[in-house]
Amino acid sequence: DQQVKQNSPSLSVQEGRISILNCDYTNSMFDYFLWYKKYPAEGPTFLISISSIKDKNEDGRFTVFLNKSAKHLSLHIVPSQPGDSAVYFCAASPYSGGGADGLTFGKGTHLIIQP
Amino acid sequence: DAGVTQSPTHLIKTRGQQVTLRCSPKSGHDTVSWYQQALGQGPQFIFQYYEEEERQRGNFPDRFSGHQFPNYSSELNVNALLLGDSALYLCASSLKGALWDEQYFGPGTRLTVT
Repeated sequence: DQQVKQNSPSLSVQEGRISILNCDYTNSMFDYFLWYKKYPAEGPTFLISISSIKDKNEDGRFTVFLNKSAKHLSLHIVPSQPGDSAVYFCAASPYSGGGADGLTFGKGTHLIIQP
Repeated sequence: DAGVTQSPTHLIKTRGQQVTLRCSPKSGHDTVSWYQQALGQGPQFIFQYYEEEERQRGNFPDRFSGHQFPNYSSELNVNALLLGDSALYLCASSLKGALWDEQYFGPGTRLTVT
C-alpha cells in the first residue's frame, strides 16, 4: 500500500521553463514533507521541506506547495536548469524529525531538462 | 569533513548466503538509519540505530539485522539472501532529535543476489 505516490515516473521540461513535480499521500498522520534529489551513484540529497502548518515554502528556485485537504504537494523549479536533471523523491513523516519510523518515500519522478 | 560513507560500493552474492554492509556516519552524528531501495522504487525504511540499540524498525523480516558501534558506525546484516533482496542499500545519519532536513544519506551499496 503506497502511502506516498508520485504518479509521473518521468517528466521532460525545456531549460528555462517551470518544472512541476507532484506528490499525493494517503496517511492523514503525515505532518512533515520533504523533497529529495538523487543523481545516479549518489545518495538522495535534501532539497526542501514543508510542515503541515504551512502551505508554501520557498528556497531560491525551489518552492513546495502543500494542500492538506487534498493530501497533495508539489515542487516547482523555476527556471529549470540542466543540472536539475535527476530523480526527485517526495517523502513524508508524522514528525518533523527524531527519526521515529523513518521516512516514507514515493517511487520518484525522473526529471529531464531539455536544452 | 567527510559525509556519510558506505562500503562496499557493489556486492554480488548467491541466494542463501549472508552479507554485511557498513556505514560510517557524518562527523558529529550519532544516529544511523538504513533504507532499502529496490529498482524503480523509493527508499524503504529498514531500521534505525541510536546508542548502539535498534530503536525503530520498518516492515522487514528478522533476516535483516544490524549493529551500531561505540564510534556510531553501523553494520547491516542480511541472512539467507533471496533474489528479492537485490537493491541499493542506503545509510542515513543524523543527530538524535534533529529535523529530517538534517539527515544525510550515503551513496549506497548496490547488492545483487544471483
